[in-house]
Amino acid sequence: IAGITQAPTSQILAAGRRMTLRCTQDMRHNAMYWYRQDLGLGLRLIHYSNTAGTTGKGEVPDGYSVSRANTDDFPLTLASAVPSQTSVYFCASSVSTSGLNEQFFGPGTRLTVL
Amino acid sequence: AQSVTQLDSHVSVSEGTPVLLRCNYSSSYSPSLFWYVQHPNKGLQLLLKYTSAATLVKGINGFEAEFKKSETSFHLTKPSAHMSDAAEYFCVVSGAGYNKLIFGAGTRLAVHP
Repeated sequence: IAGITQAPTSQILAAGRRMTLRCTQDMRHNAMYWYRQDLGLGLRLIHYSNTAGTTGKGEVPDGYSVSRANTDDFPLTLASAVPSQTSVYFCASSVSTSGLNEQFFGPGTRLTVL
Repeated sequence: AQSVTQLDSHVSVSEGTPVLLRCNYSSSYSPSLFWYVQHPNKGLQLLLKYTSAATLVKGINGFEAEFKKSETSFHLTKPSAHMSDAAEYFCVVSGAGYNKLIFGAGTRLAVHP
């Protein structure tokens, strides 16, 4: 593994189903993030984690939950998917939460909720 | 509060001609500013960043950007476009508190032969 991996690459999901998007980084970064990307809106932060064991809400957290049991993994769960959660989801990480630090992005997961 | 406005949703240039992608920002304190590029069906890659050092920042692939505080701008330029530059470009400002990145809506750059 080099950098950030996300799984699955894409998924079609029925509304009401539960779904977990996986994210793993091998850079030993303290901070991790989940974004959704929608046309014309750029990327919006869903949840973040400053370090293992802590999480926080971003700009659009409703309908999503996260956990950070260890440094490397930061899964995003949709408890009961709705069509408005159709989007491309990106996981990112950075050395720390300083505003000076670059964020490194995974390749994304394309999710369609029908 | 911080915000970013990318002034053009689409820019089209011919190969070999200059590229200008415009970005204005709003910030209540000295911001960190970034440009990221996203090629089709790929993740985002950092092009360059400004963090209160030199106002002219050089990035990868021949891109550069100039921080102009008086104009609250951070425009991205490249002297000569290449076909491989066709992508979506995001101007980003670092927000208050935790490392919150605030993204512009993006500018799609098309490069024609």
